[in-house]
Amino acid sequence: DTGVSQDPRHKITKRGQNVTFRCDPISEHNRLYWYRQTLGQGPEFLTYFQNEAQLEKSRLLSDRFSAERPKGSFSTLEIQRTEQGDSAMYLCASSLAGTGTDTQYFGPGTRLTVL
Amino acid sequence: GESVGLHLPTLSVQEGDNSIINCAYSNSASDYFIWYKQESGKGPQFIIDIRSNMDKRQGQRVTVLLNKTVKHLSLQIAATQPGDSAVYFCAEINTGANSKLTFGKGITLSVRP
Repeated sequence: DTGVSQDPRHKITKRGQNVTFRCDPISEHNRLYWYRQTLGQGPEFLTYFQNEAQLEKSRLLSDRFSAERPKGSFSTLEIQRTEQGDSAMYLCASSLAGTGTDTQYFGPGTRLTVL
Repeated sequence: GESVGLHLPTLSVQEGDNSIINCAYSNSASDYFIWYKQESGKGPQFIIDIRSNMDKRQGQRVTVLLNKTVKHLSLQIAATQPGDSAVYFCAEINTGANSKLTFGKGITLSVRP
């Protein structure tokens, strides 16, 4: 499968614990995005990278959230001191910028449940 | 209708009929639009896109229409099949400003056999 992959697919944690999610983009895609989706809503933008550089962060991304893309390939999203309000689907997408189209292709998501 | 809380607007169609899903977008500066299909427990799946310099684009069984005057986007699905049942989202980008997708409210398409 050469699409965007995410790991884990599901994560259940207790309030106050830290969690980390991983995203592997489509090979050679230089942009990688993180979105959050709650039940019944469309995805909401969190942050994105072009290669290693984090270019934009949403106000939704509180200081408990941190994202990295150290080598310009895979990315991790860490949530510290999780709260029940963090329960959501965390989606990763990737795109190839600079080719005339910048279509974002999504992974299957990581569903986080905070108890 | 309006979505309230967890309840998304639903379009119910007979298998074999054509479906039309509508979307009103918000930013007149948006210049790139995408329709995504999302099945339960999965990530959004790209269906078709259109740039603001076009008003119509066709794919396999799908057509997207763009009316910039009234900021309206529609997705037409020909000969709707049970596998088309899903939540559909339109998304917009102002590529001159940033790269983030802004999603509209989802619409549930339910195909009756």
